[in-house]
Amino acid sequence: GQQLNQSPQSMFIQEGEDVSMNCTSSSIFNTWLWYKQDPGEGPVLLIALYKAGELTSNGRLTAQFGITRKDSFLNISASIPSDVGIYFCAGRVYGTASKLTFGTGTRLQVTL
Amino acid sequence: GAGVSQTPSNKVTEKGKYVELRCDPISGHTALYWYRQSLGQGPEFLIYFQGTGAADDSGLPNDRFFAVRPEGSVSTLKIQRTERGDSAVYLCASSLWGNYGYTFGSGTRLTVV
Repeated sequence: GQQLNQSPQSMFIQEGEDVSMNCTSSSIFNTWLWYKQDPGEGPVLLIALYKAGELTSNGRLTAQFGITRKDSFLNISASIPSDVGIYFCAGRVYGTASKLTFGTGTRLQVTL
Repeated sequence: GAGVSQTPSNKVTEKGKYVELRCDPISGHTALYWYRQSLGQGPEFLIYFQGTGAADDSGLPNDRFFAVRPEGSVSTLKIQRTERGDSAVYLCASSLWGNYGYTFGSGTRLTVV
C-alpha cells in the first residue's frame, strides 16, 4: 500500500541538539498527524494538524502543516535521551473516512 | 480497561494454519481499526469498524483476511491459510466516533514459519 516519504530515515544526534524531520506525499491531505513508537509498543499520537499552514506545538515538539497540503515537518528542540524512538507522520486523504496513511518512519537515536 | 488490549502478544504458527487475533478496545470507543506493520515500515491500514459494521475494509489484502466485531466492542482478526508473507505486527486502535485521536494497542507479533 501507499506510504508517505519521510526523511531522514535515521539520525544520530547529541543530547541538547535540535532535530528536524519531514514528510511528503503525492496526494493532498486534509489532516497531518505525528506519532512516536517505542520498541514493542504501538504508536502514540504527538501532534495533530488540521489546516494548511498551521503551526502547532506540544512542549518541545513543533509541527507544521505545509501550505501545499502535501508535506509536514516536525521539529524537536533540545533533545533528551527519552526522545529515542521511531517517529511516523500520518495523513488522511480527502474522502477516505478515518483511514490514515503512515510514513516510512524516522529512527532517532540520541547520544549523551 | 485503561488502554487497548491485544492478545496474544506473540503468535507463531505454521504456514497454512488458521489464526485469530483479538482486540479489546477502550470502553466506550465506537471506532476500531486494524493496521499491519511489517519490519521497518509504518503501519498499513486494514479495516475500520464503526460500531458492529465494517465501514471500510479496503485495506484487507485478500480474502484470506477477515475481521468481525459482533457486539461493537471486542474485535477478532482472522487469517486463513497463513503464508510467510503474513508475518508482521498486527496493531489495533480505537477512538471515539472515528476522530484521529487513535489509541493503539501494543500489537500482536505474528510469525508464520
